[in-house]
Amino acid sequence: SQQGEEDPQALSIQEGENATMNCSYKTSINNLQWYRQNSGRGLVHLILIRSNEREKHSGRLRVTLDTSKKSSSLLITASRAADTASYFCATDKLGGLQGAQKLVFGQGTRLTINP
Amino acid sequence: DAGVIQSPRHEVTEMGQEVTLRCKPISGHNSLFWYRQTMMRGLELLIYFNNNVPIDDSGMPEDRFSAKMPNASFSTLKIQPSEPRDSAVYFCASKASGTGELFFGEGSRLTVL
Repeated sequence: SQQGEEDPQALSIQEGENATMNCSYKTSINNLQWYRQNSGRGLVHLILIRSNEREKHSGRLRVTLDTSKKSSSLLITASRAADTASYFCATDKLGGLQGAQKLVFGQGTRLTINP
Repeated sequence: DAGVIQSPRHEVTEMGQEVTLRCKPISGHNSLFWYRQTMMRGLELLIYFNNNVPIDDSGMPEDRFSAKMPNASFSTLKIQPSEPRDSAVYFCASKASGTGELFFGEGSRLTVL
């Protein structure tokens, strides 16, 4: 079963606006990651936030993590047409061998940036 | 670095035929994952290996699916016999020990007629 659930399923905004996507999960985690997928391509890692972190930045990306609510958000500021893609959160479960942790993905948010 | 390499990129076959998908992980990565992506079910983890050993194959749909990793630089996912419901994009991904980031290949799009 899927660990992460993204919200909304689809989001369409104007270029220059900020885009916020949310992810909820069910069990305790080691870390949470966000990935991006352009149409017809493989997934590309964007950012990883550990369970003991609350916020992380990378360029125009800002990720927050609330372990008490088992939720995370991805904010893309000053969006560009090139940001059009699907965005997925992924979680691994707490415990087990670090090297053998499996990553479970949510259903994704389809983001469209209109020029 | 060439990244994770998958082949074939596209495969069209008829129901009942055997399908073999191939993956070459990034050199030095010791974990390898096979995922399947469909519109209906999203990204499903089928199986993953650590140091060439299958760790969890609970996501493999049924006995028609099998995966091997004979060495650190090669893995196969085999479907025999294939069925139309197996049509999907199959992704291979690898990661290095002690890190969380997965590196994905470009996927193999399978169509079973």
